[in-house]
Amino acid sequence: ETGVTQSPTHLIKTRGQQVTLRCSSQSGHNTVSWYQQALGQGPQFIFQYYREEENGRGNFPPRFSGLQFPNYSSELNVNALELDDSALYLCASSVDREEYGYTFGSGTRLTVV
Amino acid sequence: QKEVEQNSGPLSVPEGAIASLNCTYSDRVSQSFFWYRQYSGKSPELIMSIYSNGDKEDGRFTAQLNKASQYVSLLIRDSQPSDSATYLCAVWSSGTYKYIFGTGTRLKVLA
Repeated sequence: ETGVTQSPTHLIKTRGQQVTLRCSSQSGHNTVSWYQQALGQGPQFIFQYYREEENGRGNFPPRFSGLQFPNYSSELNVNALELDDSALYLCASSVDREEYGYTFGSGTRLTVV
Repeated sequence: QKEVEQNSGPLSVPEGAIASLNCTYSDRVSQSFFWYRQYSGKSPELIMSIYSNGDKEDGRFTAQLNKASQYVSLLIRDSQPSDSATYLCAVWSSGTYKYIFGTGTRLKVLA
């Protein structure tokens, strides 16, 4: 497998709730990014962390937030869930330079009802 | 104009044929270009990267880059039914410091 692990694999939440998704990257992968992929669409960039600091963000509201930890793990937190937040959430990591391409985790399928 | 554009397809080719997938991008300072393959229900998998103008070959795959035309393509020779998937083009730019994906082209290889 890829060496990037995400949990949980599937999740059902109610509108208005909060959710935390987790990712464990490969050792030495200092860059981690999170993507949202709706059905039939390409992945949409949420944000990126490098050495525990956010250094890039896509067009997502502040209720999407994240953390990266020294042990190469990271979290995506989403507050006040909306029905449109239902999607596959992908974590991707790379060595220091993202220009070398990402390794993706298998994703978390979030359903908001 | 979308930052990275791909024809959504589906692109249908017979087994053994060459499949040609195309991608255009809008940011002229883009530096790195990638092709990912995504099977239904799975996460994207990196299959090719290209950084310089010209062709780059890896097995049955050839990536082609033309920065002047802001165009990148992927050729798959001797297409197999197992190549049936969605192919995502991704572009990284130091200008925006973002890694942007296209919406993907769905490829169907007919046995």
